[in-house]
Amino acid sequence: GQQLNQSPQSMFIQEGEDVSMNCTSSSIFNTWLWYKQEPGEGPVLLIALYKAGELTSNGRLTAQFGITRKDSFLNISASIPSDVGIYFCAGQLRNNAGNMLTFGGGTRLMVKP
Amino acid sequence: KAGVTQTPRYLIKTRGQQVTLSCSPISGHRSVSWYQQTPGQGLQFLFEYFSETQRNKGNFPGRFSGRQFSNSRSEMNVSTLELGDSALYLCASSHPGVGNTIYFGEGSWLTVV
Repeated sequence: GQQLNQSPQSMFIQEGEDVSMNCTSSSIFNTWLWYKQEPGEGPVLLIALYKAGELTSNGRLTAQFGITRKDSFLNISASIPSDVGIYFCAGQLRNNAGNMLTFGGGTRLMVKP
Repeated sequence: KAGVTQTPRYLIKTRGQQVTLSCSPISGHRSVSWYQQTPGQGLQFLFEYFSETQRNKGNFPGRFSGRQFSNSRSEMNVSTLELGDSALYLCASSHPGVGNTIYFGEGSWLTVV
């Protein structure tokens, strides 16, 4: 099935560093979502973006909905060891036909204390 | 407020058998969708149910089916299991009143041997 292009695939950084990851699509979405998944668990919603150009923060996390509606990025500032996990972007079409998410391949984040 | 609840969490089945997975959505959520997660294919949309009707379907064979009950609880069934069906099956629910943001359960780990 279709997947969004998410990069980088993995990152190994030092505690305290900032992190940036992004997602691009050939299709337009009207919602972008960012999830974090830890081993053995389901994805946990971090940030939801509903409008093109929207910039939203959640603590040390900041995400933006690209103005073309075909891309989004997520930044994590001052990373800490508990940020370790896999981060997924997801594009959502909300229309009368219902909800479905198209996911990126994920960014595996590793943080060295 | 309880999250999305999935049962069972882990199960092992033999090729050719069938399996039923259960999902209880967040209270008040009427849309339930299912996703398959594998290392090779990532997160793939299976189907979505709303008000007991299948509203969207992903690109999976007919061996994968689901249903939704009047209390919004959902089940998915996989018949004639194949080794490649081994995966984490995730259920997600959403409420139209909050921008259709989708929340995931912890998933059901299925191993086919």
